Amino acid sequence: AQTVTQSQPEMSVQEAETVTLSCTYDTSENNYYLFWYKQPPSRQMILVIRQEAYKQQNATENRFSVNFQKAAKSFSLKISDSQLGDTAMYFCAFISNFGNEKLTFGTGTRLTIIP
Amino acid sequence: NAGVTQTPKFRVLKTGQSMTLLCAQDMNHEYMYWYRQDPGMGLRLIHYSVGEGTTAKGEVPDGYNVSRLKKQNFLLGLESAAPSQTSVYFCASRSPNSRNQPQHFGDGTRLSIL
Repeated sequence: AQTVTQSQPEMSVQEAETVTLSCTYDTSENNYYLFWYKQPPSRQMILVIRQEAYKQQNATENRFSVNFQKAAKSFSLKISDSQLGDTAMYFCAFISNFGNEKLTFGTGTRLTIIP
Repeated sequence: NAGVTQTPKFRVLKTGQSMTLLCAQDMNHEYMYWYRQDPGMGLRLIHYSVGEGTTAKGEVPDGYNVSRLKKQNFLLGLESAAPSQTSVYFCASRSPNSRNQPQHFGDGTRLSIL
């Protein structure tokens, strides 16, 4: 069974600084997808960024980028020029390209941006 | 474009009562999901559906039933609510084209069982 581990329950950073959230996963699969979701206090889950395992190039979306290390099974999220609106819970998630439709989530990292 | 809409947003039940949570999506998505979110844990999949008239069990299906009579709606039922089912419930949907397609989530339903 796949597992996703987020080892940082809480983090805080000053506004405009850069912060990196860590995520590791365990799988025997070779073809899969990884996601970072953001959950602000409003509770809605919002996709931040996604990565296909077969792509070596790290995904980027504006201020958000990932460091995908397939051999190490690591998928960290970097937020550059952090903004107050980035304050939220961040969840890392994994889904295999085969088998059932289970999207496996980590336990989340609560990120606080300090003004 | 409303996306994924969950009804109700809050509910308090007594142990043993039954209720149905409604999820509606207007994106013409084939796949729909029900998750629960508990403190200190990520979302866990309860049931899902890959199309109208189909349902399948997820990670934590016990105590819940689902139905997908219409493509746009996915219902989650609790026949006899228990305090262990106190949680925040999320519905999601996605396009079937590829699993790299993100799931789109509703705003959640906070359910308390007394």
